[in-house]
Amino acid sequence: ETGVTQSPTHLIKTRGQQVTLRCSSQSGHNTVSWYQQALGQGPQFIFQYYREEENGRGNFPPRFSGLQFPNYSSELNVNALELDDSALYLCASSLTSAYSYEQYFGPGTRLTVT
Amino acid sequence: GDSVTQMEGPVTLSEEAFLTINCTYTATGYPSLFWYVQYPGEGLQLLLKATKADDKGSNKGFEATYRKETTSFHLEKGSVQVSDSAVYFCALSDRRQGAQKLVFGQGTRLTINP
Repeated sequence: ETGVTQSPTHLIKTRGQQVTLRCSSQSGHNTVSWYQQALGQGPQFIFQYYREEENGRGNFPPRFSGLQFPNYSSELNVNALELDDSALYLCASSLTSAYSYEQYFGPGTRLTVT
Repeated sequence: GDSVTQMEGPVTLSEEAFLTINCTYTATGYPSLFWYVQYPGEGLQLLLKATKADDKGSNKGFEATYRKETTSFHLEKGSVQVSDSAVYFCALSDRRQGAQKLVFGQGTRLTINP
């Protein structure tokens, strides 16, 4: 069973640029969630995708957007990068059903905005 | 909105000491509760979970009991090891609020000295 994978591992961008982060979900999972973890903080929910549609969103501006593909992999796009976007971005996959509760996390992408 | 409050860190203990990390939550519904662990440079790993009141989650010697009357989910281990050094996050998930998002506490850094 393959776990959640993310790419790239690290990324350095300049303020104002755009970035795309990628996530492959765990085999058998149909839902992907994205979280932002600033240094020394707990992860904050950005949004969730289920069956290729956004299924809920946290308190993040519209310049944070995403996609989910038919194979349940996902992308997180951030436009007009700001210095405060520097963080660890975590992808989590899960199986949306009446009896599942766990989300399984990937290793994250460390984004640095200069 | 829902929130999680964790014991202030960092926590430093000697090997074989007893560990307690306090966690309390505020939620309008009936959340599931989780403990995640993050080792240096890695993503989050699910440590244990409890989905209803009085449930006890356990894994790798760690335990936590879902206490609805005190809205708490304290993490305990009887004898810690150096390899338990990590950051521990308490989290809740309430699927009745649309997307099954996780709400995290701020994390508690645990260091175990030999």
